[in-house]
Amino acid sequence: KQEVTQIPAALSVPEGENLVLNCSFTDSAIYNLQWFRQDPGKGLTSLLLIQSSQREQTSGRLNASLDKSSGRSTLYIAASQPGDSATYLCAVYGNKLVFGAGTILRVKS
Amino acid sequence: ETGVTQTPRHLVMGMTNKKSLKCEQHLGHNAMYWYKQSAKKPLELMFVYSLEERVENNSVPSRFSPECPNSSHLFLHLHTLQPEDSALYLCASSQVPGASGGTDTQYFGPGTRLTVL
Repeated sequence: KQEVTQIPAALSVPEGENLVLNCSFTDSAIYNLQWFRQDPGKGLTSLLLIQSSQREQTSGRLNASLDKSSGRSTLYIAASQPGDSATYLCAVYGNKLVFGAGTILRVKS
Repeated sequence: ETGVTQTPRHLVMGMTNKKSLKCEQHLGHNAMYWYKQSAKKPLELMFVYSLEERVENNSVPSRFSPECPNSSHLFLHLHTLQPEDSALYLCASSQVPGASGGTDTQYFGPGTRLTVL
C-alpha cells in the first residue's frame, strides 16, 4: 500500500527566504508525482507535474525534483512571498492518486 | 463558466436528512472523482468514474451513493450520515481515466464543506 509522507508538517518563514518542502513515498512504482497548493477552504491548484521519467520541473519560482528510486521529491520555493502562504500537497500516481497530509506554509511579511 | 464547479459550497445537515452534492466539469474530461478531506488527514479517494462507469469504490460506506449521469456531471447522494462524515468533499476531473494508473493531471473543484449535526 502506497504511503506518502510530507515533512515538515508546518513551516513559518520570513519573506524572501528560499525554502524546501519534502515528500517521500514508499512504493517507487509510480507514473508521476504532482505538487498542489490549497488555500484555506478552497480546492486544489496544480503547481507542477513530474513524469516518472523526469528528474525535475520548473515553473517560475517553483522547482520540483523527483528521485523515484529513493522515493523522494522536493519542492523548492525561491524568494518566498506572503502570497505563497498555503498548504502544499504532494500526490503520487500509481494505481490511484495518493496524497500526503501536506505542509502548511506561512510566509511572514 | 470554466473548470470544475461544485454546489453547494457549504452544507449543514442532520443525521436523518438526505442531500446531494453536485459537481460539473467544463473541461471535456472523461473521468471524474470524489475525494474526502477530513481535518488533519490526507485526501482520501472515494469514487472514480471513467466514461460514466464507476471503476473504483474505495471501501466507502453505503450511506454515500455516487451518480454520474454523463461525463460532465457527478453527484454524491448522502443519507443517514454520521457526525464523523463532516469534511470537505472535493470533486476532480481528468482527461485520461486515472483508476488504473493516472498519467494526466486532475483538476479540482473548490469543494463542499459538509457539517453533519
